[in-house]
This record gives sequence, C-alpha cells and structure tokens, in this order.
Amino acid sequence: DGGITQSPKYLFRKEGQNVTLSCEQNLNHDAMYWYRQDPGQGLRLIYYSQIVNDFQKGDIAEGYSVSREKKESFPLTVTSAQKNPTAFYLCASSIAVNYGYTFGSGTRLTVV
Amino acid sequence: GQQLNQSPQSMFIQEGEDVSMNCTSSSIFNTWLWYKQEPGEGPVLLIALYKAGELTSNGRLTAQFGITRKDSFLNISASIPSDVGIYFCAGHRVSNYQLIWGAGTKLIIKP
Repeated sequence: DGGITQSPKYLFRKEGQNVTLSCEQNLNHDAMYWYRQDPGQGLRLIYYSQIVNDFQKGDIAEGYSVSREKKESFPLTVTSAQKNPTAFYLCASSIAVNYGYTFGSGTRLTVV
Repeated sequence: GQQLNQSPQSMFIQEGEDVSMNCTSSSIFNTWLWYKQEPGEGPVLLIALYKAGELTSNGRLTAQFGITRKDSFLNISASIPSDVGIYFCAGHRVSNYQLIWGAGTKLIIKP
C-alpha cells in the first residue's frame, strides 16, 4: 500500500542536540511538507519542497533544516538553534501543489 | 502565516445530532479541503472541493465550496462516537499555491 511514513513516533532530545526526523513516501508525490503542531493549535508550515533538490522556507523555518536528495525522502533536522522544539511534527506530501495532502502519523519530539 | 477563520472552535454534541462547521476568508480560494485529526495521529483528508458551488458527500459528511469562493462548510449528519476529533479546513488561495489552514473545530460527544 502506498503511504507516507514518519519515524520515530516518539523522540527525546537533550538541550543543545540536533535531531533528525525521517519522512518517506512511496506515493510518487512531487511535493513534500513539514508542519509543526503545538497542543490545541493548528498546523504551521516549517519547510516545503516542490521537487528534488529544491526546498523553500515556510512560516517558522528558524532553527530547522531540511534536504531533498531523493523524491521519496524529506528529512527534517531540528537544530540546537530552535529554542522551543517540543511539539508534534507532521510530514505530508501531495501530487502537486494545488492538491490535497497526505499526512504521516507524526513524530512527537520532547526536549528533556 | 494567514489562517482561515474556522468556527466554532469546539462543539459539544449528543450522539445522533447533526453538526455544522464552517470556514471563511476575505481571500478567494481555488480549493477547499476538510481534514479530521485524531489524537496522536496525522490529519486524514475527508473531502476535497475544487469548484465554486460544488457540493460533495462522503458517507454522513457533506461539504460545500461557497459560491463566492471565500467560504466552505462541513456538515456531519447523525453523529456517532467515532466522529470525535479535530476537524480542519484548508484551502489554496488563487494568489498563492500554499495551503492555508483553519485553527480547527474540536468535536466532543456528550456522555
């Protein structure tokens, strides 16, 4: 079955560490996205990529970095520069930019 | 970033009741999407609307793309316990292909 897989489901990070969240899709979608969701809040766009080897900053890109070396993969690194990284992170993909998104099941990141 | 105005913020309903929620904006949209999110999971697409005036059903769910292209509503008929969750509207503006999100409507079934 085609889908989008995020791993790990839960991640704990120490202060000052960088961590990388994985996102893989086998839907053959060109566009991929990373969102952050805080408790009781909506979704805020971190980064998006319309095509391999290209990505753009979203509304809250500071303290995050991404790469898009393969169509299937769009990993997100939460760097030590992100001062409040504890949140639920969602990856999504779409066949093109004007279509509905398919979401992964999310990664909950907690700073300890 | 800009958000859509989604209301109500939360709803307490009895099982069997009909539910209605909506999203409005001052901008014109090309598409309207309705998602449902359950705790600890990613949102799941319920209905996608691509044309002004379009009325689309998915089981007990019905959504419409407003004729002015600035609003959309979602109705759920005869609610059941598994309908609980957070419902999000989202849309693509004419001027910008980026998806804009509402803040969500939390649906709670009264015991």
